Amino acid sequence: ETGVTQSPTHLIKTRGQQVTLRCSSQSGHNTVSWYQQALGQGPQFIFQYYREEENGRGNFPPRFSGLQFPNYSSELNVNALELDDSALYLCAIGNRGRENIQYFGAGTRLSVL
Amino acid sequence: SQQGEEDPQALSIQEGENATMNCSYKTSINNLQWYRQNSGRGLVHLILIRSNEREKHSGRLRVTLDTSKKSSSLLITASRAADTASYFCATDRGSTLGRLYFGRGTQLTVWP
Repeated sequence: ETGVTQSPTHLIKTRGQQVTLRCSSQSGHNTVSWYQQALGQGPQFIFQYYREEENGRGNFPPRFSGLQFPNYSSELNVNALELDDSALYLCAIGNRGRENIQYFGAGTRLSVL
Repeated sequence: SQQGEEDPQALSIQEGENATMNCSYKTSINNLQWYRQNSGRGLVHLILIRSNEREKHSGRLRVTLDTSKKSSSLLITASRAADTASYFCATDRGSTLGRLYFGRGTQLTVWP
């Protein structure tokens, strides 16, 4: 049990819509990261939040945005959804440092039609 | 872009056999980790090996790291049907900021 909860578990949207995915954790890890995992691929780093500020972004456009809240929860927002955004979105908590083990939630499966 | 490349992409074995998966990467690292994922769900951390270590054991898992070849291997001994999952290696690309870069993974199937 990682203590990382993601909601919803599944979501269906249509192209052009906007979506908000949520992540909450019970512990005081100081980073929360979001990853996108397309079918048959490994997770791709989207961005990371450290002490409620975005701290690095992978190769994703600005329509992917997020927030981290003081209560260790986080949101991933995606605007103007495209078909290729269909994927499993994973939230992970961790700490900065040389041993950056990440603890993942079960993910949100997003389907864009 | 994917950091690591695991091979094989798929591995099918019988219970009791050993399973070996390999991973290659391209940049310097502080450490390399292996994660397991069941049926498209969340990833679970298995083991971490530091860049100055060559081998590490945890239960039925054995990980090796060769930084000169930028490669790692994960050995699961005496496999069980419950080991069926996808296995990913992940590196930090030398950063301490807590981000991970994953390979495409190896799908392991263990038949009873």
